Amino acid sequence: KNEVEQSPQNLTAQEGEFITINCSYSVGISALHWLQQHPGGGIVSLFMLSSGKKKHGRLIATINIQEKHSSLHITASHPRDSAVYICAVMGDSNYQLIWGAGTKLIIKP
Amino acid sequence: DTGVSQDPRHKITKRGQNVTFRCDPISEHNRLYWYRQTLGQGPEFLTYFQNEAQLEKSRLLSDRFSAERPKGSFSTLEIQRTEQGDSAMYLCASRTEGGTQYFGPGTRLLVL
Repeated sequence: KNEVEQSPQNLTAQEGEFITINCSYSVGISALHWLQQHPGGGIVSLFMLSSGKKKHGRLIATINIQEKHSSLHITASHPRDSAVYICAVMGDSNYQLIWGAGTKLIIKP
Repeated sequence: DTGVSQDPRHKITKRGQNVTFRCDPISEHNRLYWYRQTLGQGPEFLTYFQNEAQLEKSRLLSDRFSAERPKGSFSTLEIQRTEQGDSAMYLCASRTEGGTQYFGPGTRLLVL
């Protein structure tokens, strides 16, 4: 079993829909990252969370430390949101980011 | 543009040749990471520097791979005697202590 699990693996939605991507992890962490990668593009860090909730524009990220679960929400989704969204956790005893497999999101106009 | 730059952006080489990539992190970031990403996969950790000290190195990093950060600023990643399996995107990231990682655009390597 992977230490970081994301669901769904693939998600196709219509423009305007509310999107939720989930991430569960099984290790102790000091922080959780949500990252975005466009096809052929670099990786952009969206959020770094250690507790609670963060909001940036149409993006909201939440984390429940007790349940070892985080969600990334996109409100009023737009075709330009189409990308791979990756959850990655920083272990509490090492320096590495442990990566989820990513969720490929396609927003259709 | 995150402020982390990598050079070159693309490299095509023949099997057996040596290649060297450079990463320039954000200037106040003392922590620097190298990752490798193959098509359809998530990034794999390669190595980590805190200032000039290489604190951790993945078992993925064979003896053909070496990384340096001589003055605690820019870093280089060298691959000797390249193999076709080394073809990948090589990503660099940097951060301050407690801060989020900022990723460079990557160097895409193709070994023929």
